[in-house]
Amino acid sequence: KAGVTQTPRYLIKTRGQQVTLSCSPISGHRSVSWYQQTPGQGLQCLFEYFSETQRNKGNFPGRFSGRQFSNSRSEMNVSTLELGDSALYLCASSLGGWQANTGELFFGEGSRLTVL
Amino acid sequence: AQSVTQLGSHVSVSEGALVLLRCNYSSSVPPYLFWYVQYPNQGLQLLLKYTSAATLVKGINGFEAEFKKSETSFHLTKPSAHMSDAAEYFCAVSGWGAQKLVFGQGTRLTINP
Repeated sequence: KAGVTQTPRYLIKTRGQQVTLSCSPISGHRSVSWYQQTPGQGLQCLFEYFSETQRNKGNFPGRFSGRQFSNSRSEMNVSTLELGDSALYLCASSLGGWQANTGELFFGEGSRLTVL
Repeated sequence: AQSVTQLGSHVSVSEGALVLLRCNYSSSVPPYLFWYVQYPNQGLQLLLKYTSAATLVKGINGFEAEFKKSETSFHLTKPSAHMSDAAEYFCAVSGWGAQKLVFGQGTRLTINP
């Protein structure tokens, strides 16, 4: 069974640009979460989607947006990049249903964004 | 609201010594608790989880953790450290039905030869 796939793995952007990151969850998983990991702030949840609906949103500015498609794949976008957006962005998937949920997440390897 | 505190951002032990990584949680509902491990340049991998069954939970790679409600703790232990255990370890909490995992700040484990 294939794991969570994130693309691209590495990218370098300059301030003011925008970026789109992609995540393909494990087959059958309907929930996708995005986390930002930085040395100073640790792991912070950006969004969580279930069946194309945003169910949770972290305390991030409006420059950060995301969506989930009908096939459960997800994208997140960051516009007007700032130096502080440099981080590892992790996608995680889970079954997502209330009955089946125990909170366990399956993580991809992440997309490392560097903003110059 | 749920939160997790990991005591010690860095822990260093000798190979063969006991590993103890501390985690205390706060939760307004019966919690689900997790330990994840992150190796360099990789995503997080589940080590073990507590979901209200046995309070002593055994995970992969010889790790185990004990849920102590009276102490609101979920410390991670391994009797004998191996060089391959060097990684960052995250404790996390969620409530039943809630997707959003709340993570601790992480503990970087270094193993000395």
